Amino acid sequence: GIQVEQSPPDLILQEGANSTLRCNFSDSVNNLQWFHQNPWGQLINLFYIPSGTKQNGRLSATTVATERYSLLYISSSQTTDSGVYFCAVSSYNTDKLIFGTGTRLQVFP
Amino acid sequence: NAGVTQTPKFQVLKTGQSMTLQCAQDMNHNSMYWYRQDPGMGLRLIYYSASEGTTDKGEVPNGYNVSRLNKREFSLRLESAAPSQTSVYFCATRDRGEFEQYFGPGTRLTVT
Repeated sequence: GIQVEQSPPDLILQEGANSTLRCNFSDSVNNLQWFHQNPWGQLINLFYIPSGTKQNGRLSATTVATERYSLLYISSSQTTDSGVYFCAVSSYNTDKLIFGTGTRLQVFP
Repeated sequence: NAGVTQTPKFQVLKTGQSMTLQCAQDMNHNSMYWYRQDPGMGLRLIYYSASEGTTDKGEVPNGYNVSRLNKREFSLRLESAAPSQTSVYFCATRDRGEFEQYFGPGTRLTVT
């Protein structure tokens, strides 16, 4: 089945810093989503981005489908950005989402 | 609109007890999913339902049963709970023709 790898596993930042999170996947996909899991456990949809680039405020994402990776950019990080960021994909023959193991981000004031 | 709701939010069971986790959606989506999340890991698919009246196994179905009661509701049943089923359970939905999935707030289950 399709494999999803995220890096780095952990990231510690000071408020105001920028960061880049990476997601590599092993096969062609028809779905790629980025989620933020906040400290209360809630999963928040950030982007649906199987290809191309999207931006939403301080967050943006780029997926290069031909090279099988996606990047999530967080600019001017805030303490509320803390939590775990998951990448999840599904391939063309299934709608089952496969999750990576996440990047744990901690932002300190 | 409430989106995707799950009940209960928290539950503690003893080994061997049974319970049903409920999921309901008001998004009129066709597909519904049950995932589990273990500490330090991503989510893994337990069961899913592509439409009312159909269900299929995911990655980790053993020890669980599901019922797609109608288009709105998808329940997950543990017939005889085991400590290995201690986890956070998430329900998700997807609209026909779309790929993006939308998640409920989760149910935290502890089996002692």
